[in-house]
Amino acid sequence: DAGITQSPRYKITETGRQVTLMCHQTWSHSYMFWYRQDLGHGLRLIYYSAAADITDKGEVPDGYVVSRSKTENFPLTLESATRSQTSVYFCASRAGLASYEQYFGPGTRLTVT
Amino acid sequence: DQQVKQNSPSLSVQEGRISILNCDYTNSMFDYFLWYKKYPAEGPTFLISISSIKDKNEDGRFTVFLNKSAKHLSLHIVPSQPGDSAVYFCAASASSGGSNYKLTFGKGTLLTVNP
Repeated sequence: DAGITQSPRYKITETGRQVTLMCHQTWSHSYMFWYRQDLGHGLRLIYYSAAADITDKGEVPDGYVVSRSKTENFPLTLESATRSQTSVYFCASRAGLASYEQYFGPGTRLTVT
Repeated sequence: DQQVKQNSPSLSVQEGRISILNCDYTNSMFDYFLWYKKYPAEGPTFLISISSIKDKNEDGRFTVFLNKSAKHLSLHIVPSQPGDSAVYFCAASASSGGSNYKLTFGKGTLLTVNP
């Protein structure tokens, strides 16, 4: 199906473990984003990518790593998970600078125990 | 420093009546505004947007009003339906200043439409 997908949808991991959240889009959008949603904070930008091999930090990047070797994929890695990274993570994409709308995936609920 | 503020965490209205969701911003560089709707266990979905060159944009039951001098925008839903019950996020972007890729979101308002 066309669109933007995230996997897994739910993940429980232990403190100190490495975990990777996957994001895949079929629109060939240039821009991709990772957000986290927490109670009382709304949506906060973690990292974004303007194109393959171009990534940059957002508002809350500490503890996260991203890569973008292909236009359609934008994985987010928590190198050593902490309880404060328990959250719902959303991936989004945007066609280009002429279009402001971002299109979101269904989210990954991550629990760090 | 919260640049986009949605001061009402929740709003409850009766089916058929008008829902008005409010959003304030502090950054005068913002010139494009969007509203997203989010159901539980789903990602946010784009609803409606407005450029700062306009003061109103309408799409069916949804109308967004922008008051630049007050740095305020509002989303009107008329008539409200139970299926409109969701969290609504206001977002803003600046087309200049090197951050035109970025959306800054408010914390959201939970709208409940009662049958």
